[in-house]
Amino acid sequence: KQEVTQIPAALSVPEGENLVLNCSFTDSAIYNLQWFRQDPGKGLTSLLLIQSSQREQTSGRLNASLDKSSGRSTLYIAASQPGDSATYLCAVRGSGGYQKVTFGTGTKLQVIP
Amino acid sequence: KAGVTQTPRYLIKTRGQQVTLSCSPISGHRSVSWYQQTPGQGLQFLFEYFSETQRNKGNFPGRFSGRQFSNSRSEMNVSTLELGDSALYLCASSGDGYNEQFFGPGTRLTVL
Repeated sequence: KQEVTQIPAALSVPEGENLVLNCSFTDSAIYNLQWFRQDPGKGLTSLLLIQSSQREQTSGRLNASLDKSSGRSTLYIAASQPGDSATYLCAVRGSGGYQKVTFGTGTKLQVIP
Repeated sequence: KAGVTQTPRYLIKTRGQQVTLSCSPISGHRSVSWYQQTPGQGLQFLFEYFSETQRNKGNFPGRFSGRQFSNSRSEMNVSTLELGDSALYLCASSGDGYNEQFFGPGTRLTVL
């Protein structure tokens, strides 16, 4: 059974800092991994999708990396802004057929002006 | 292109009642997944439908059911509501069901 963990559960940083969010998964047989952000009481917004054959993906100030062998993914946010404050979730889709998606526990980020 | 829509956005029910939630995926997407989000359990997978067939199912009791129509719209039904069913129910659509998922705003269900 896939288990996905995100550490830390909460993070508070001053504006302008570069930061790294972590996502660990127990089963390396994955199809892809997707990062999302969620604002309070809202749905999830897709940030980046990394296929199992890829090492990283970039979008603007965001860069996500994937290391299947160690069961880890990181989301790097450059020059953080107050608007980046949200909960960040990673989701892992297993490989081999119609595998369901397992979500991590989330990291709540606060960027202080 | 319009995003994923969910109706209703808010719902208040009492224990023992049943409820039906609706999800319209992005045009052209054939896969719809449903999730339950609570503060204690986080995001948990309920089920996934692809071309009107349930392709995968999470570990929820049989009170939770769903279906998908030929136009890819999906509904989920919860019968005999319990207090613990209070949650944000999220729907996600994907083109083929394997790749990027796009989420709707959710339906906030409160059971009294």
